[in-house]
Amino acid sequence: KAGVTQTPRYLIKTRGQQVTLSCSPISGHRSVSWYQQTPGQGLQFLFEYFSETQRNKGNFPGRFSGRQFSNSRSEMNVSTLELGDSALYLCASSLEDGGRSDEQYFGPGTRLTVT
Amino acid sequence: AQSVSQHNHHVILSEAASLELGCNYSYGGTVNLFWYVQYPGQHLQLLLKYFSGDPLVKGIKGFEAEFIKSKFSFNLRKPSVQWSDTAEYFCAVNAGSARQLTFGSGTQLTVLP
Repeated sequence: KAGVTQTPRYLIKTRGQQVTLSCSPISGHRSVSWYQQTPGQGLQFLFEYFSETQRNKGNFPGRFSGRQFSNSRSEMNVSTLELGDSALYLCASSLEDGGRSDEQYFGPGTRLTVT
Repeated sequence: AQSVSQHNHHVILSEAASLELGCNYSYGGTVNLFWYVQYPGQHLQLLLKYFSGDPLVKGIKGFEAEFIKSKFSFNLRKPSVQWSDTAEYFCAVNAGSARQLTFGSGTQLTVLP
């Protein structure tokens, strides 16, 4: 099976712009989670989607949003970019079979640089 | 809200030395526990996980971890490290009904040849 894929891998944006990142989960996985990784704050949870619904949300401002499509692919959007949004954005998918929490498989991430 | 502490930020060992990385979490209920590894330039990979049952869990590449509920700990061990184990190691917890992982700050392991 192919792993979690994320596009683009690298992105450079200017302050004030918006950006959309894409994630394709492992085939058959129904849950997609997003995390932000920075040297200062480490790995922080952004949100989680399951069956096209946002099920959990982390402590990030409303500029961060996401969605999930019927094929489980997910996108996250950041509007009005700030310098502090520069980070590695990781997507993770899990099977969620039977309703219990499962292990999450991570993609390679999208490295976003805001100038 | 749960939190995870990894007290060792950077560990330097020689090859063949034994490894133990500490992980403590704060949450009073049922938890699922994980160790992930991030090799240089690669994505996060799951080393091992604990959901229930035997508190001593074995993972890939000779790693193991022990869940001690009374100490809220899930320390990672390996009897003999190799140069290829150089990486950053993250402990994570998934607590209660929440699906999201809460990560520790990570431990950078450097193994000298």
